[in-house]
Amino acid sequence: EIVLTQSPATLSLSPGERATLSCRASQSVDNYLAWYQQKPGQAPRLLIYDASNRATGIPARFSGSGSGTDFTLTISSLEPEDFAVYYCQQRGYWPLSFGGGTKLEIK
Amino acid sequence: EVQLVESGGGLVQPGGSLRLSCVASGFTFRKYSMNWVRQAPGKGLEWVSYISTRSSDTYYADSVKGRFTISRDDAKNSLFLQMSSLRADDTAVYFCASFFESFDYWGQGTLVTVSS
Repeated sequence: EIVLTQSPATLSLSPGERATLSCRASQSVDNYLAWYQQKPGQAPRLLIYDASNRATGIPARFSGSGSGTDFTLTISSLEPEDFAVYYCQQRGYWPLSFGGGTKLEIK
Repeated sequence: EVQLVESGGGLVQPGGSLRLSCVASGFTFRKYSMNWVRQAPGKGLEWVSYISTRSSDTYYADSVKGRFTISRDDAKNSLFLQMSSLRADDTAVYFCASFFESFDYWGQGTLVTVSS
């Protein structure tokens, strides 16, 4: 089973700042890595798939990078609506798995 | 518009059974694989199960293997999760979802509470 470890668990930043979220896999997942945003009471929303491809309708301030075991989600300049919980997910190997999440909170 | 609507959640006693349903619309259901994902109260996301097109392949998380069964009825655009031998740690919101590359849709979830 592939374990995804996200860091930090909580990130406190102000609007306009840059956010860098990390996801590390216990073994290579190639580029089969997705990033989701989830707000309270809502289903997750896909941001990035295949490590670096933005999903339809996702603003350009969101970008993903990495391959193998180390991945990064970057939000270049935080907007008020970006404060939420972010999850990485590996889609390449069974069983599929999610990271534990990073909560992005307003400082 | 793509829609996934779950139903069947509720309160069940430990050891009991429950069947969740998910009705899809707005896309050609039979052409897409489907998943169940759950989220315990205040916790993260946990993938539960997968079913391929034509039901040719199914996969389960270790935590539910042997207790849960995923199935689909393409004629009714429906996905199911039969849950048995339920435990307190199965308490969660259960989402049906289809995710493959950029095709990514989730329902709003149905709450399952396992408690005496």
